Amino acid sequence: NAGVMQNPRHLVRRRGQEARLRCSPMKGHSHVYWYRQLPEEGLKFMVYLQKENIIDESGMPKERFSAEFPKEGPSILRIQQVVRGDSAAYFCASSKPSARAEAFFGQGTRLTVV
Amino acid sequence: AQRVTQPEKLLSVFKGAPVELKCNYSYSGSPELFWYVQYSRQRLQLLLRHISRESIKGFTADLNKGETSFHLKKPFAQEEDSAMYYCALRGITQGGSEKLVFGKGTKLTVNP
Repeated sequence: NAGVMQNPRHLVRRRGQEARLRCSPMKGHSHVYWYRQLPEEGLKFMVYLQKENIIDESGMPKERFSAEFPKEGPSILRIQQVVRGDSAAYFCASSKPSARAEAFFGQGTRLTVV
Repeated sequence: AQRVTQPEKLLSVFKGAPVELKCNYSYSGSPELFWYVQYSRQRLQLLLRHISRESIKGFTADLNKGETSFHLKKPFAQEEDSAMYYCALRGITQGGSEKLVFGKGTKLTVNP
């Protein structure tokens, strides 16, 4: 089991471009979480998804950000028209559905907006 | 709403000294609590969870529902314990589990 894979590891975008961050969960995991980590801050919850369904998106900014976890393929976090303030590390975690299940983390994608 | 508070951003102790990393939570229902650790240049990984009541790498954490706390303790800190520690909470509802929410983390430095 390869673990949670995130790509790319580093992403540079110019202001106004789109950023697409991908997360492949561990085999057998149907739930995915996305977090944002800003310098000097902890992990801020963004969205919680299961396949083809958003369970909780209360941490997602209302505009420009969207997430999906299709039946086939990785989960995608999409940021449209990026601004400098979007520069951060974005982490994905996956787990089995149980509340007691451990969440396994990817190594993150560091987005830099220039 | 789920909330996790780690009051100490930084904690520095000497090798062999006891260490306690504080975590307080707010949740109206029945929570599942976890401690995650991130060593330098490594991904975040689970250290322990309250339900299993286990000791990992000498660390223990007891859930105190009266004080809504889940402090992480180790009687004798080692240099290799230096890392970032995150307390996390996941709520349980009749409909299933809720999101996994993290505190802001405490950076532990164990000095020789």
